[in-house]
Amino acid sequence: QKEVEQNSGPLSVPEGAIASLNCTYSDRVSQSFFWYRQYSGKSPELIMSIYSNGDKEDGRFTAQLNKASQYVSLLIRDSQPSDSATYLCAVNNQGGGADGLTFGKGTHLIIQP
Amino acid sequence: EAQVTQNPRYLITVTGKKLTVTCSQNMNHEYMSWYRQDPGLGLRQIYYSMNVEATDKGDVPEGYKVSRKEKRNFPLILESPSPNQTSLYFCASLPSRADYNSPLHFGNGTRLTVT
Repeated sequence: QKEVEQNSGPLSVPEGAIASLNCTYSDRVSQSFFWYRQYSGKSPELIMSIYSNGDKEDGRFTAQLNKASQYVSLLIRDSQPSDSATYLCAVNNQGGGADGLTFGKGTHLIIQP
Repeated sequence: EAQVTQNPRYLITVTGKKLTVTCSQNMNHEYMSWYRQDPGLGLRQIYYSMNVEATDKGDVPEGYKVSRKEKRNFPLILESPSPNQTSLYFCASLPSRADYNSPLHFGNGTRLTVT
């Protein structure tokens, strides 16, 4: 069974510091990777998507992908209290499983003012 | 505005009383899916639909039914709800399941409580 693993946290980071969130996946043929932010009781919202090895930057967010090691990470620079949320890693595979889209259970991030 | 609309947002019901949670999208998306989210268990897929009249089971389909008679609507049916179906439910859509680079568009969620 395809798996996506995340540390559940909580991960506590001081305001202004860099928050580093990690995700590993089991299926080597995974093609695309997404980070969603979810506030308590709200729906997930897309933060970043990444499809090829390396870094992708968007404002304060940087996604990093290493397919050889099967991990994807999200860095949040200059962390703000509003970044406190649960971050979900999602992996998209071609074929196999129910429909090939697998979510991790999420990492709870707390930004301390 | 492009969106996925779920109704109701909150629902409290009693064991055994049939209910339907509606989901509608206005983006002409082929793929739609239902998830439930419980503390510590993350998002778990209930059912998905690749297109009209094409539905399939996800990871936790027991106790649920779906239908996809038209492209925009994908209702979730609980014929005899039980307390273990108390959860936060999300509907989501994609332009096409073949488009692996597209992220899911989520509805606002339905908080269901079964007593």
